Amino acid sequence: QSVLTQPPSASGTPGQRVTISCSGSSSNIGDNTVTWYQQFPGTAPKLLISRTNQRPSGVPDRFSGSKSGTSASLAISGLQSADEADYYCATWDDSPNAVVFGGGTKLTVL
Amino acid sequence: QVQLQESGPGLVKPSQALSLTCTVSGGPITSGSYYWSWIRRPAGKGLEWIGRVYTSGSTSYNPSLKSRLTISLDTSKNQFSLKLSSVTAADTAVYYCAREQWPSAGVFDYWGQGTLVTVSS
Repeated sequence: QSVLTQPPSASGTPGQRVTISCSGSSSNIGDNTVTWYQQFPGTAPKLLISRTNQRPSGVPDRFSGSKSGTSASLAISGLQSADEADYYCATWDDSPNAVVFGGGTKLTVL
Repeated sequence: QVQLQESGPGLVKPSQALSLTCTVSGGPITSGSYYWSWIRRPAGKGLEWIGRVYTSGSTSYNPSLKSRLTISLDTSKNQFSLKLSSVTAADTAVYYCAREQWPSAGVFDYWGQGTLVTVSS
């Protein structure tokens, strides 16, 4: 069972906006920035959002991150079939002093 | 361009030790302020942080694995390594090495391709 809680699945149609939630606690999301990763089958995760809402170079501005209290969200606008992947949130947890991940959300583009 | 590559046995017997090495290319492993980390993904499950070594050689480990875990740095070979003792089937996973930004914990900007390690007799 993961420290951070994500919905196991999400879906949308091309062009839609979808959001993926990540719920934590005061010792992790509540006190630290959040990172999001995108992973396709058979490949390594790719850094998508860092420091809660910063996009690395090359990541389209269709992807955005936010945080409120002990929860964070990843929003994907203008959904494309190429966005079909697993998405993970991550952050530092002050107790027990470890990086923690969400369980992952499988995004399906209908 | 930084690149990471995992290497090591793909099959380990139960109760034995799992040893993996990550070779870093594209720059000295001691350059800049980074952690060098290990992460794994068991089949059908999510990502799990294993631990990290800083460029100074200091380490941080996942508490759930700490008693069995050693991560070390070999600057002469531009490599860092993972050793997990007394493995069981629960340690079967794809193991990734990654560069983690300091002090931004949890921000892994470069990853290896991953290597599958199966624990089985």
